[in-house]
Amino acid sequence: KNEVEQSPQNLTAQEGEFITINCSYSVGISALHWLQQHPGGGIVSLFMLSSGKKKHGRLIATINIQEKHSSLHITASHPRDSAVYICAVRPFWYSGGGADGLTFGKGTHLIIQP
Amino acid sequence: GAGVSQSPSNKVTEKGKDVELRCDPISGHTALYWYRQRLGQGLEFLIYFQGNSAPDKSGLPSDRFSAERTGESVSTLTIQRTQQEDSAVYLCASSLKGNQPQHFGDGTRLSIL
Repeated sequence: KNEVEQSPQNLTAQEGEFITINCSYSVGISALHWLQQHPGGGIVSLFMLSSGKKKHGRLIATINIQEKHSSLHITASHPRDSAVYICAVRPFWYSGGGADGLTFGKGTHLIIQP
Repeated sequence: GAGVSQSPSNKVTEKGKDVELRCDPISGHTALYWYRQRLGQGLEFLIYFQGNSAPDKSGLPSDRFSAERTGESVSTLTIQRTQQEDSAVYLCASSLKGNQPQHFGDGTRLSIL
């Protein structure tokens, strides 16, 4: 069974701080997604990656396939970054190719205080 | 519209009734996903459509749940004989093709009385 674990579950930080959210998973994957869920419920896809590192603005996502671990970093955090950040993986089942539904972590609830 | 559209945005119904939720994916997106998010819980995969291939139904929690998709357009998720544990936000997402970034709708908040 694929497990996706995120840490921390909750994080409160001051504006300007460097933020790191971690994600570990237990099976081989073909892709890992980082999603952002705003307080109103809308979900936005931030990154999809299968190796290395991606950067978009103040957000950086890294993945280590061998260690089955990914991190999401936010530089110069701002109150508008306050949201739930969700890690999700697309398992790769060797017997049958790709299973296309994502398996989600429980999310990290981030609050950035001004 | 430019994004994934879901309707209704809210649905309140009595236990035992059937409900139908609708998703309009982004035009040209061949992949469509349904997810469920119960209050305070993470997202759960329900079903995946890719083009004309047989859908991946591995996430459907019971035979009361079914979904259809017409070609590469609208999808409906049907829940028969609703139970209180079906109360959740049902989210639809689409992507250009499988294993691509997914674009999410705003969801349908379903409340079973």
